[in-house]
Amino acid sequence: QQQVKQSPQSLIVQKGGISIINCAYENTAFDYFPWYQQFPGKGPALLIAIRPDVSEKKEGRFTISFNKSAKQFSLHIMDSQPGDSATYFCAAIGTGTASKLTFGTGTRLQVTL
Amino acid sequence: EPEVTQTPSHQVTQMGQEVILRCVPISNHLYFYWYRQILGQKVEFLVSFYNNEISEKSEIFDDQFSVERPDGSNFTLKIRSTKLEDSAMYFCASSWDSDTQYFGPGTRLTVL
Repeated sequence: QQQVKQSPQSLIVQKGGISIINCAYENTAFDYFPWYQQFPGKGPALLIAIRPDVSEKKEGRFTISFNKSAKQFSLHIMDSQPGDSATYFCAAIGTGTASKLTFGTGTRLQVTL
Repeated sequence: EPEVTQTPSHQVTQMGQEVILRCVPISNHLYFYWYRQILGQKVEFLVSFYNNEISEKSEIFDDQFSVERPDGSNFTLKIRSTKLEDSAMYFCASSWDSDTQYFGPGTRLTVL
């Protein structure tokens, strides 16, 4: 019940295309859903996050879509660029003091020219 | 822009030896965390720390692990007797509100 399932495992998108990564969760106590971007040898960097009281959040080329009833959320990267090539992790966190992040398994995105 | 820093960037040790991984969280953050990532796998929670005590720990965080905030700036993870399976990237994170967690660059621990 604590898992966050993420798909696809890897994704190849052409420059200018839309990258879509999907996540699903079971634990209804989760109430904050961040996405992290990780480049090789680096730490995860917070990209964008959403709470379940909204269905969509957009920041630049990055959009999170959230479906509370289906317990699913997704990251859309518009106009994908080679510099977006990285591993993307969805995560979830529940209420409570110093709550832990539960990460998805990651999606390795490659944006080709 | 403030950032979490970690030292060393790479630590090589012999099995059974003690290691201490160091982190300097973002100043004025209240919540501190250690996570680890085995090569090619997802990031896993180890422990959270708030108000000078452990808030939560995972099943990975057994008696061989300990954390400390010895002063107002450092946050350390100690592994008393390292095992081969402790080889991983260890990330420190800090947060002001416990939700928005910022990660450091990590320490690569190699146990031989």
